[in-house]
Amino acid sequence: SQTIHQWPATLVQPVGSPLSLECTVEGTSNPNLYWYRQAAGRGLQLLFYSVGIGQISSEVPQNLSASRPQDRQFILSSKKLLLSDSGFYLCAWTPGREETQYFGPGTRLLVL
Amino acid sequence: QKEVEQNSGPLSVPEGAIASLNCTYSDRGSQSFFWYRQYSGKSPELIMFIYSNGDKEDGRFTAQLNKASQYVSLLIRDSQPSDSATYLCAEGWANNLFFGTGTRLTVIP
Repeated sequence: SQTIHQWPATLVQPVGSPLSLECTVEGTSNPNLYWYRQAAGRGLQLLFYSVGIGQISSEVPQNLSASRPQDRQFILSSKKLLLSDSGFYLCAWTPGREETQYFGPGTRLLVL
Repeated sequence: QKEVEQNSGPLSVPEGAIASLNCTYSDRGSQSFFWYRQYSGKSPELIMFIYSNGDKEDGRFTAQLNKASQYVSLLIRDSQPSDSATYLCAEGWANNLFFGTGTRLTVIP
């Protein structure tokens, strides 16, 4: 069966520091991968999605970037964090052409 | 820009009652709709999806889609305290999902 992992589970970072969040999927190949952010009490904001290695689509212009160095690995990065980057970061995957998305456990980020 | 609207709630129902959650969408051409449940502090988990007009049942859950009126709803029969969560409606388009902000449901024992 397929599983999706995210780490770290929680992170507290100072403003201006770099960020790297990782997401990996097991038990499938060539998944579509997604990064979302959910601010406190808010809905899900799609940040990036990828349909293959090295293919990244950005939905929101901001100080975040994403990379997909391997088929089942998706990384979210920032060079300098802002206070507004605080939130719950969720990675999701779909099996190729399907639309149903399955979410990882999430990373809770607090920027101070 | 796709818009999915949900009443943020909170919606409170007594244990054993039917909870009715509603969602409207803006794009008449949309074909697929999804309901997710999100417990506080956890990630969303899929409840069910619906593509065709009418009802789709899965256990205590029934999704209803009305494309003419552009709304989709989720009914939860015999509501339990464990159903207390935020319910997210999503519209599918071109391998992406567009989410509403969610409705918070509280089931009172």
